[in-house]
Amino acid sequence: QSALTQPRSVSGSPGQSVTISCTGTSSDVGGYNYVSWYQQHPGKAPKLMIYDVNKRPSGVPDRFSGSKSGNTASLTISGLQAEDEADYYCCSYAGSYIYVIFGGGTKLTVL
Amino acid sequence: QVQLQESGPGLVKPSETLSLTCAVSGYSISSGSDWGWIRQPPGKGLEWIGSIYQSGSTYYSPSLKSRVTISVDTSKNQFSLKLTSVTAADTAVYYCARSFGSGWAFDYWGQGTLVTVSS
Repeated sequence: QSALTQPRSVSGSPGQSVTISCTGTSSDVGGYNYVSWYQQHPGKAPKLMIYDVNKRPSGVPDRFSGSKSGNTASLTISGLQAEDEADYYCCSYAGSYIYVIFGGGTKLTVL
Repeated sequence: QVQLQESGPGLVKPSETLSLTCAVSGYSISSGSDWGWIRQPPGKGLEWIGSIYQSGSTYYSPSLKSRVTISVDTSKNQFSLKLTSVTAADTAVYYCARSFGSGWAFDYWGQGTLVTVSS
């Protein structure tokens, strides 16, 4: 099972919005509403930002939002801030054999 | 506040067994939730290794299933990972994490521990 497909990098200026895509198949992203997104700063553990496609854990700013259409999930960050610069990983439940699959990661640069 | 802390050898020889423990504080493992291991090779992405349910059922990545065992010790409030027959490809930062709900989202993570496989 290959990793979910994410762009290697995206960038935006402070205050702008960026969207990171995560493409899978009908066996993972498209088949379940169980996509999560993680933010990882260098040398740090990942942090859960979105779960169940579009739910935010307590403490995550509402500038972060998630959505899904077909086999592609998306993370949108609005009002970009310098501290948003990090790697972002999507993750999906993939059924009762693969179970969990991550994307390859996207490096977000705030210009 | 739930906290997780990985521990174990930082260096393992090829063909030997990698053993890590994740100590959980601020939450009783026997109270519920599920627990998992995720790894990240240097400069690369995240890879799920496996998880153990509160029921004791275990679930492993198909690519690692033949070499992985995850277990729980409720008396010590910790869970463990064993990975046999390691090679240099198993060199990575290993994270333990708590998952919740049906979607296997990981809400609490340990800080990670680097394990290098080398002779």
